[in-house]
Amino acid sequence: EDQVTQSPEALRLQEGESSSLNCSYTVSGLRGLFWYRQDPGKGPEFLFTLYSAGEEKEKERLKATLTKKESFLHITAPKPEDSATYLCAVQAGPGGYNKLIFGAGTRLAVHP
Amino acid sequence: DTAVSQTPKYLVTQMGNDKSIKCEQNLGHDTMYWYKQDSKKFLKIMFSYNNKELIINETVPNRFSPKSPDKAHLNLHINSLELGDSAVYFCASSQGTSGRMETQYFGPGTRLLVL
Repeated sequence: EDQVTQSPEALRLQEGESSSLNCSYTVSGLRGLFWYRQDPGKGPEFLFTLYSAGEEKEKERLKATLTKKESFLHITAPKPEDSATYLCAVQAGPGGYNKLIFGAGTRLAVHP
Repeated sequence: DTAVSQTPKYLVTQMGNDKSIKCEQNLGHDTMYWYKQDSKKFLKIMFSYNNKELIINETVPNRFSPKSPDKAHLNLHINSLELGDSAVYFCASSQGTSGRMETQYFGPGTRLLVL
């Protein structure tokens, strides 16, 4: 069964303290991996798509990387406004239907 | 301009009632989705429509019935509401269903509380 596991469940950082979030997956034929950010009371906001192992994407203080079994979201010198839940999702298997399988998310709190 | 919008934002109702949630997207996308986010924050897909045709139908009680009057709208009707239906329901849309993964854009969610 396709599965996505995110760790840690929660992470508390001081402003400027860099760290990484992990998303490990077991799927039958990865077709794409997505990172979303979700603020309390809001819908997920798209951050990155990664399609193949070795691929990297960057946006401001965030950098996403992908290997054959996991993805990392690196946060460099975070600020309090980076506090949110970060969701990882994969699409796998045959067919052209965009069924996303989500992990439970990592709740990030960045303190000044 | 709101890309994916949902109404209502909050819905509080009694067990046994029937309710509907509406979703509209102005992105010109062909595919729309309904997801459920439970108290543990897991997002799980329920349904997907492509050009008004149902293409994904996960294991969801048949009390839930999606309807797509056109490709910009996807509504969710829930009959005989139960306590376990309390959750946040998100609508999403994507360009299409090509072989490459299409980015899904989410609405703000509808918070349903069944008493």
